[in-house]
Amino acid sequence: GENVEQHPSTLSVQEGDSAVIKCTYSDSASNYFPWYKQELGKGPQLIIDIRSNVGEKKDQRIAVTLNKTAKHFSLHITETQPEDSAVYFCAASSGGGADGLTFGKGTHLIIQP
Amino acid sequence: DTAVSQTPKYLVTQMGNDKSIKCEQNLGHDTMYWYKQDSKKFLKIMFSYNNKELIINETVPNRFSPKSPDKAHLNLHINSLELGDSAVYFCASSSTGEGGYTFGSGTRLTVV
Repeated sequence: GENVEQHPSTLSVQEGDSAVIKCTYSDSASNYFPWYKQELGKGPQLIIDIRSNVGEKKDQRIAVTLNKTAKHFSLHITETQPEDSAVYFCAASSGGGADGLTFGKGTHLIIQP
Repeated sequence: DTAVSQTPKYLVTQMGNDKSIKCEQNLGHDTMYWYKQDSKKFLKIMFSYNNKELIINETVPNRFSPKSPDKAHLNLHINSLELGDSAVYFCASSSTGEGGYTFGSGTRLTVV
């Protein structure tokens, strides 16, 4: 089955700086890669996703890059703000609904004022 | 309107009891899931169900059973609760092949 590794487990950055979180996956059949943000006491919320036929996707301050050959994908957050503080999860799926998502172990992002 | 709603939000119960968690989605998705998030925040799939097929993660004890009365609901029944079942359980839904998994806000289960 799929295995997703995520690094780092904790990331502390100064407000206004950029943050990068990296993930690798093992199953070459995976073709859908979402990123979720989880705030304390809440469920994971989708913030951006990318499919295997695309190398990069941007949405305002958030971007995701995918290297299919190397089987890794990254989340980039620019101009970080205090409200970006949360736990971020990467995930991978082969796209068939019944397979669900395989998650990384999460990154606790701390934005220092 | 809440897209994926689950109840209760908190559940405290004694070892050996049987309990249920309910989940409903109003997104018109065809597949629903249950995930377990342990104390280290690791999210792991337990079940997926799409009206035709139930897929069970092989690591899930058979004390856990999903029940789907219709396409918009997937409830989780747990028999003979154990201390190790304490976790946050998330319901989610998606449309096959489209991604876009949407999660509920979670049920924190505490077994004492």
